[in-house]
Parts: sequence; C-alpha cells; structure tokens
Amino acid sequence: QVQLVEFGGGVVQPGRSLRLSCVVSGFTFSTYGIHWVRQAPGKGLEWVALISNDGINKYYADSVKGRFTISRDNSKNTLYLQMNSLRPEDTAVYYCAKDAARDGYTWFFDYWGQGTLVTVSS
Amino acid sequence: QLVLTQSPSASASLGASVKLTCALSSGHSRYAIAWHQQQPEKGPRFLMKVNSDGSHIKGDGIPDRFSGSSSGAERYLTISSLQSEDEADYCCQTWGTGIVVFGGGTKVTVL
Repeated sequence: QVQLVEFGGGVVQPGRSLRLSCVVSGFTFSTYGIHWVRQAPGKGLEWVALISNDGINKYYADSVKGRFTISRDNSKNTLYLQMNSLRPEDTAVYYCAKDAARDGYTWFFDYWGQGTLVTVSS
Repeated sequence: QLVLTQSPSASASLGASVKLTCALSSGHSRYAIAWHQQQPEKGPRFLMKVNSDGSHIKGDGIPDRFSGSSSGAERYLTISSLQSEDEADYCCQTWGTGIVVFGGGTKVTVL
C-alpha cells in the first residue's frame, strides 16, 4: 500500500539548518509530484512546497521562499526539504503528501505521511 | 483573495448524520475542493475531492457513509451513521496554480 514516512525532525536553534526526508513506497515515485505541508501547534495546515515528478519544477509558499529548498532523488524514492535560516515560527509538524495526478500535479493530495516535528527554539 | 471558511465545531450523536460546510470566497464559486480528515495525533487522510457540480471522487478505502455535495460557493461533507472513530478534525483545501489554501478545519465531536 502507499506509504510516506518522514524523518529528520528535531530541536534546532534559530538561524540554524535542518534537512527533512520523506521515504515513499507503494507507488511509482518518479511519476508523481510531492508536496510538503506543515502544521504549527494548535494551528491549521499550511502548504510549504511542491516539486514536480522529474524534479524540474518547484514551487514555494512566500513564507519559506529563499530559505527552504525542496528536492528529490527518484532512484531512492526519497523527497527532501532543506530548511535554512530557521525561525521560531517554522515550528511545526511537517508532512509530505503525494499529489493526486500522475505525470503532472493537481495541487491536492491523496496520501499523506504521519509527520515529523520540527521545533525551532533557543 | 482565495479563502475557505469552515465552522470551528460540529457535533452529533453516535449513529446520526452530520453535514459540514466549506465556503469559498466571493468570485471563486467554481473551484473544486478536497476534504481531509485528521484524527488525533495522526497525519491527515484524504477523503474526497468535490467539484462545483457536486460530483466527487473518494480516496482509497473511504466508506460509503462519507459523501460530498455542492451548492453555489459551498461544498459539503456529510458523514452518515456516525461512529466513534469519526471524531476528528475535518479540513477543506482548494488550489490554483502556485497557491494552496486550507480552511481552518471543523472539529467533529461524536456524542
């Protein structure tokens, strides 16, 4: 069955960096766009970034543009999120989510991971 | 501006039905939305996509007692025969090119 599992969360000081990974199985990873979505404690969901199936096209929310970089390694069925210059407001559970469209993107998600918590605090 | 509005909470008795509303902002009444369920301490789960004509496509394994509909700028999720495991947050989502918007979510309590 389709599975997405996030890794790499933890506690980090403001201004530092962290890289998240998302390992997927159960579908042909290289044919689907993948998103990162986050949820701050007690708050709603916020879309963070999307990468196309071939890794060429990338989109970011304004709140992370210039600080976060999404990438993927289709040979390893793995998605990444490199987070630099972290701020306390980046504290959230980070989810990877599979786009519903094959060989393109619909901008909605049909499978989610269980999330990994990132805490930015001194 | 593309905005989704949801009531913060809803409740119904075990075995009853509940209808949740997701309202699209003015000028966006033809947008499709997706419903996602988030049970406590779990990642979200895709329930269905609801189009402006009321047609909907469910996610894998979603029971028949979950259904979607539409009227004007409102999109609905109806849960029939409520079960205890349906107690969760329900969030709607819509999108445009380069933009994804979530509603604030509705917390459903099963009485």
